[in-house]
Amino acid sequence: GAVVSQHPSRVICKSGTSVKIECRSLDFQATTMFWYRQFPKQSLMLMATSNEGSKATYEQGVEKDKFLINHASLTLSTLTVTSAHPEDSSFYICSRIGRGGQDTQYFGPGTRLTVL
Amino acid sequence: AQTVTQSQPEMSVQEAETVTLSCTYDTSENNYYLFWYKQPPSRQMILVIRQEAYKQQNATENRFSVNFQKAAKSFSLKISDSQLGDTAMYFCAFMSPFGGSRLTFGEGTQLTVNP
Repeated sequence: GAVVSQHPSRVICKSGTSVKIECRSLDFQATTMFWYRQFPKQSLMLMATSNEGSKATYEQGVEKDKFLINHASLTLSTLTVTSAHPEDSSFYICSRIGRGGQDTQYFGPGTRLTVL
Repeated sequence: AQTVTQSQPEMSVQEAETVTLSCTYDTSENNYYLFWYKQPPSRQMILVIRQEAYKQQNATENRFSVNFQKAAKSFSLKISDSQLGDTAMYFCAFMSPFGGSRLTFGEGTQLTVNP
C-alpha cells in the first residue's frame, strides 16, 4: 500500500495567493523528505531536502523565500508556494527514504498546482 | 556532478514481447545505487528495480531485469512478456551514498505497450 500521501491532489488558485501542500509519511517516522517539481513530459527536478527539526536544504536556483518548506514533525513536511504566479503551475511530488535505510526513495502521488 | 542519460524518448512494444530501455550515467564514484522508476498516467512514481553498484549480479524483479555494466556505466532495463499495464514513463535514476540520499534522474523514456 501507499507509504507516502499528499494533500491536496489538485489545487487551483489565483495569482498572488499562497498554497500549502502537505506530504505525510504513513508508515514510519521520516527525518528526511524530498520535494520535486515536474513539468509536463519532463523529468523530476529536485527542489529541496526537508529535514525534521532544521532548515530545508534547497537546490541551486530554487528560491527559498518562494518555496517555504516546514518539516515540523517526523511524519509531515509541507511546501508552501508563496505569492504564486502562473509560471509556478506544475506537478509537485514529495518522497521519503525507505524504512530499511537511506538508499531508496518512495514517492507520494503528487499535487497538481494550477495558478490562474 | 553525476549525470544520467536516457537516449530513447519514446519506445513501443507489442504485448507479450520483450523490450529494453537504455540508460547511461556518469560518475567518478565506485559505490552507488541505480534505480528504475515507472510513472504511469496516474503520475504516481513506482519503484521498479534497484541495483547496488558493488553487486556484480544483475537485479531482477519478476518480469523486470537489468543489465548492469559498471565499466561502461550502463544500466538498461529489460521488460519481458510486456503487458498493457507496463505503459508508462520510465525514469532511470542515480544515488550516491554520499549525497544525502538525493536522486539524479534521467530524462525518461515513454513506453507504450500495444495490444
